[in-house]
Parts: sequence; C-alpha cells; structure tokens
Amino acid sequence: DIQMTQSPSSLSASVGDRVTITCRASQGISNYFAWYQQKPGKVPKLLIYAASTLQSGVPSRFSGSGSGTDFTLTISSLQPEDVATYYCQEYNSALLFTFGPGTKVDIK
Amino acid sequence: EVQLLESGGGLVQPGGSLRLSCAASGFTFSRYAMSWVRQAPGKGLEWVSTIGVGGGNTYYADSVEGRFTISRDNSRNTLFLQMNSLRAEDTAVYYCATVSGFWNDEVSSYYYAMDVWGQGTTVTVSS
Repeated sequence: DIQMTQSPSSLSASVGDRVTITCRASQGISNYFAWYQQKPGKVPKLLIYAASTLQSGVPSRFSGSGSGTDFTLTISSLQPEDVATYYCQEYNSALLFTFGPGTKVDIK
Repeated sequence: EVQLLESGGGLVQPGGSLRLSCAASGFTFSRYAMSWVRQAPGKGLEWVSTIGVGGGNTYYADSVEGRFTISRDNSRNTLFLQMNSLRAEDTAVYYCATVSGFWNDEVSSYYYAMDVWGQGTTVTVSS
C-alpha cells in the first residue's frame, strides 16, 4: 500500500504570507493526486486535482505542483478564510484512494 | 442544486450492524462513481470504499474489507454502505462523495477526485 506523509503537521503564519505544504508518497503515483481543504466544522472541499489543476471557483492564490513522489500545495498570500486543515490524496488505477494525515493552518 | 444527503447513522453496540444511505439529487447519479470517506473524532480523513457507475466494481480499504459492503441503486439515486461486525474504531462521521473524472487532453486520460460531498452522518460504536 502507498503511504502518504505531509509536512508540516501544523503551521502558523501571518496574513499575506506565502505558505507551502508538502506531501510525499512512498512510491511514485504519477499525477493521480489531489488536495482538499476542510475548514473547522465543515465538509471537505476539493481544491486541486491532477496535482496542479485548480478546481472551478477556487481562488488563484492556491496552486499545486509536483510529480512522482513529491507534491506541494502553495497559498501565495494567506487569508483569514484559509484557516483550515489541508489533506493530500492519491489514488491508483483501481480507484483505491489514500489521504495524507493533514496539515493544520492557522493565522499567527 | 447538486446535493448529497446521508442518513442511517446512530449508536450501535460492538459487533452490531448499520446501513448508511446517501440520497443524491441535482445531477445524473448513474454517471458517477461514488465513495464513502470517514473521519474519526478529532482525526483526519480516511477513504472507506468506492463503487463504479454500474455497481459491478467495488473497492475497499483494508480496515473495512470483509465487514462493509458498498452498493447503489441508480433507479433511486441512492448509495448505500452496509456495515457489519462494527468495532469501536469505526466510530466516525461518514461522508459520501462523488468521484468525478476530469479529462486531460495532454495525456488523453481522466483524473479523478471527490468533488461533491454530503454533510455526513455520525456512527458511534459503543456499549
């Protein structure tokens, strides 16, 4: 089974800061990769699919990159409404999904 | 409006069973693979199971394989999760989600992600 790790597990940054979250897969997974945002008490929301494609309606300050085993979610200018836990997710050709453990983002 | 509405959660004793339902509306249910994802209290997201559009292809996490069964009724726009032999560690909010395919011209392939989520139903396994 593919294992996913995320770093950091939590971070605190100021409004306007550039924030980067990294996800690493235990083996190469092509671009079968997505990022989700879950605000406190809310349902998860799809941000990015295919590693770097922004889902419709997601602000352009969010971006994704990477391939193989290392993937990155970047928030170019952190906003108060971005306080949330962010999860990476991979899947294989058989639609077996795995979520990363999550990164909690707070405002300093 | 695209909507998923889960039901069927509740309190059950260890070893017991529950059947969750997810009613879909506002989209063509039969064209989408569907998944169940759960979240234990204070914990992260855990994928549970996925079913293909026709119901013939099903996939499970190792943690529920052999105990849970996913199914769907396309005539009723409803997804199900039959949960048997429940354990304390199955306590969680259970979400249903669509598995949407996003076509990529560059690689002539679909990329999949869960883009519509229900509000969740809570399952508590306790004596």
